This record gives sequence, C-alpha cells and structure tokens, in this order.
Amino acid sequence: QKEVEQDPGPLSVPEGAIVSLNCTYSNSAFQYFMWYRQYSRKGPELLMYTYSSGNKEDGRFTAQVDKSSKYISLFIRDSQPSDSATYLCAMSAGGYQKVTFGTGTKLQVIP
Amino acid sequence: SQTIHQWPATLVQPVGSPLSLECTVEGTSNPNLYWYRQAAGRGLQLLFYSVGIGQISSEVPQNLSASRPQDRQFILSSKKLLLSDSGFYLCACPERGGLSTGELFFGEGSRLTVL
Repeated sequence: QKEVEQDPGPLSVPEGAIVSLNCTYSNSAFQYFMWYRQYSRKGPELLMYTYSSGNKEDGRFTAQVDKSSKYISLFIRDSQPSDSATYLCAMSAGGYQKVTFGTGTKLQVIP
Repeated sequence: SQTIHQWPATLVQPVGSPLSLECTVEGTSNPNLYWYRQAAGRGLQLLFYSVGIGQISSEVPQNLSASRPQDRQFILSSKKLLLSDSGFYLCACPERGGLSTGELFFGEGSRLTVL
C-alpha cells in the first residue's frame, strides 16, 4: 500500500463548477498537509498548507483534513480555466521529516 | 523572495552519456536543498537532500549523484545515463518558515529524455 493515494484523473469540469480533489494516506504520523498546483512543464507551487485536522480557506480554495479518516480534500469554488493544472497533495510528519507526495490529479476546466 | 534557477531546462541525451544538472538559489542563505524526480504517472520522488556545503544524503540507490560545492548551488550528476533516468528533475528548498513543516519551494525543473 502506498503511503499516499491520489486519483490521477483526469478530471474535466465546466467553468464555474465546484471541484473536489482528494487524497488518502496511511501514515498516522503525518501532521502537515499541503496542496501544490503544477502547470504543464512547470515546477509545483505551494497552494495551501494545513496543520493537523480542520479547514483552511483562501479565496476560492478550501483545504480540509480529517486525520481520523486519514483523508484530505481540496475544494475549488467557481472554477476557472486558469485552474487547469495538476494538483499534488503532500504531507509530512514535521520535525524535518521528508515530504511524501501523491501522484497528482490532472484537472481541466472547460470554458 | 527566494528564486531557484535550474538549467538546462530541457535536454535529450543518449544512453550511457554523462549528465550534469545545476540548481542555484537566490534570496535565502544556508538553505536545505532537495533534488526530486517526477516521472510520468508517478509522484515526486526525493533523490537527494543537502543541509550544507559538501553534505549530501541519498534517498534512493541509483546511478545518480549530487554535490553541493557552494552554499546556494546544488548539482545532480551521472556518469552513464540509463533509459530509466528520463524524467522531470526538480530542485527545491523550504518555503520561508517551512523548514520543519515540509512546505517546499520548487524551481522550474529540467526535463531529461534519455534515448
């Protein structure tokens, strides 16, 4: 079993839709949870960061962490064509432990 | 703000040829530096990390090596490339304040195709 599982997609939605991206994990030591956005042929950029369980909102983006279920989500409201990218979840146990990444979900928002 | 420069951006190399990818960081001092590889359909795989000049830790056994000759310079090398070395190579350092949490800042990457 992989430490982090992420549906690779691709996920295709119409402009304005609400998008839900998810990851599951098996390592209960993970405490820091991140979402990265990666445009084609570019390096990933940090989009959201959450510590432990709970929600975090930033504009149209909301990150949720449910440590009891080992499940994290990223919601994108009012999706835009510019949101078309691959979204990578990532997590670490902190304390300078290495970061483990999901394989990424490719999202396409159709105008 | 920090910036990571990687070059070359793209290269095509024959099997058995040598490799040198370079990463330089600006806007931060004494950073931890990382080399990741992203292969098609796979997640980011940590290859090497360095906490300082001359200090390299390898995460995965392979025919690649890394060196850190200067504080803000990180080099990935190979003496003889394999087909399986093809991929997108990314250099990274911690986001400001992200040293212990895992928040990373990435460069633009070097895309390597081995034929």
